Amino acid sequence: GAVVSQHPSWVICKSGTSVKIECRSLDFQATTMFWYRQFPKQSLMLMATSNEGSKATYEQGVEKDKFLINHASLTLSTLTVTSAHPEDSSFYICSARITSDQETQYFGPGTRLLVL
Amino acid sequence: GENVEQHPSTLSVQEGDSAVIKCTYSDSASNYFPWYKQELGKRPQLIIDIRSNVGEKKDQRIAVTLNKTAKHFSLHITETQPEDSAVYFCAAHLSGSARQLTFGSGTQLTVLP
Repeated sequence: GAVVSQHPSWVICKSGTSVKIECRSLDFQATTMFWYRQFPKQSLMLMATSNEGSKATYEQGVEKDKFLINHASLTLSTLTVTSAHPEDSSFYICSARITSDQETQYFGPGTRLLVL
Repeated sequence: GENVEQHPSTLSVQEGDSAVIKCTYSDSASNYFPWYKQELGKRPQLIIDIRSNVGEKKDQRIAVTLNKTAKHFSLHITETQPEDSAVYFCAAHLSGSARQLTFGSGTQLTVLP
């Protein structure tokens, strides 16, 4: 149980294009999902907290107009990187928290983004 | 906000030896402390967690201890095996309604055969 999937697992795109990443909780409902970015050999940096049915909460320094988050259902959150640039290349990981368990976070497999 | 410091950044041990990774946190209201193992290019996987009402928790070869007074917690792996080699992250549960996790900087553990 508590499986989180992400799609796509990797994506290569041209500079200036937009990329959408999906995060799904497969066997549980997740009122809250989190989006992280991880650069090589670094820790996970929280980008935003995604709440079903409401606006996402972004961490300081994260541009909400560049990283669009939509959490339209209890099992799906999407992150869209708009007008991607090479410096956006990174490993993006989502996590989901079971609605009835306010602590444990289950992580998706991550999406590796390369912007050329 | 919460600040979590983790050390060492790298740790090499011989197979069969024990490994200890330590973390400190700043927010005394934090009450949940998970440890994640991340293999290269893969997702972080929860290996053990501890809540502030407990001082120690053990699961087979893995144990975590928590000292609330000193605001530090440690991961102990005994009888290490090569497959334990990975990056380990500690985290602390930030107090507040969102209950976000703040992660430590990670420890690259290498178990030498």
